Amino acid sequence: NAGVTQTPKFQVLKTGQSMTLQCAQDMNHNSMYWYRQDPGMGLRLIYYSASEGTTDKGEVPNGYNVSRLNKREFSLRLESAAPSQTSVYFCASSDGPGTQYFGPGTRLTVL
Amino acid sequence: GQQLNQSPQSMFIQEGEDVSMNCTSSSIFNTWLWYKQDPGEGPVLLIALYKAGELTSNGRLTAQFGITRKDSFLNISASIPSDVGIYFCAGQGYSGTYKYIFGTGTRLKVLA
Repeated sequence: NAGVTQTPKFQVLKTGQSMTLQCAQDMNHNSMYWYRQDPGMGLRLIYYSASEGTTDKGEVPNGYNVSRLNKREFSLRLESAAPSQTSVYFCASSDGPGTQYFGPGTRLTVL
Repeated sequence: GQQLNQSPQSMFIQEGEDVSMNCTSSSIFNTWLWYKQDPGEGPVLLIALYKAGELTSNGRLTAQFGITRKDSFLNISASIPSDVGIYFCAGQGYSGTYKYIFGTGTRLKVLA
C-alpha cells in the first residue's frame, strides 16, 4: 500500500517549457488535491477534484491545468512555465474530513 | 488567499520541555487537522479534530478544537530531538467538499 505517489521528484525547466506532474493514490479516495509550498509559507491549494470527473479551482490556479484521469490519478500541467512557479508541489487525497494524506512532493525549478 | 494565523512562527526549546502552539481564524471550521513536516518530505497527519471542545491525544501530542470553532491548539509534552520540524494546522469549513486552508506553520527546534 504505497499511499500517494508523485513523479518526478525533481525537475528543472526553462521559462516557457511545459510539463505534467503525475499523482496517483491507492487508497480508493474520492477527493484529490494539488498544493504548492513556497519557502516559509504554508500550503496553498491550486486545484482540487472532489470526485472522479470533477475539478475545481483553488486559491492559486493561474498558469496551471489539471486532469482527473480516473479515481486513482490526478495530474497537474504547466503549459508555459514561469520562474514564479518555482516551488514544491504536493498532491494529496482524501475520503472525508480528517483523512487528507500527502505525497512526498515534486521540487520544481524554473530558470 | 486566505490562510490561518499560526503562532509562534518558530521556537527553540530544550529537550524535555513542553511545547504549545495555536492556530486562529476569522472563519468557523468544521474540522481541524494538525500535520508535521520533516525537511524534504510531505506533511504527515498527526491529529484530526471534528467538533468544538474536542480534546484528542496521539502519544505525547494533544490537540484541542476551540469552543468558538475558530481556533485550535497543539501541545507536545516532554519534547525530544525528533520533534524537530514544521507543524501545520489546517481547517476545513463546510463547502460541500473537503477543501482545506493551511496555516503558515510553526518551526520547532529542540536543543538537546
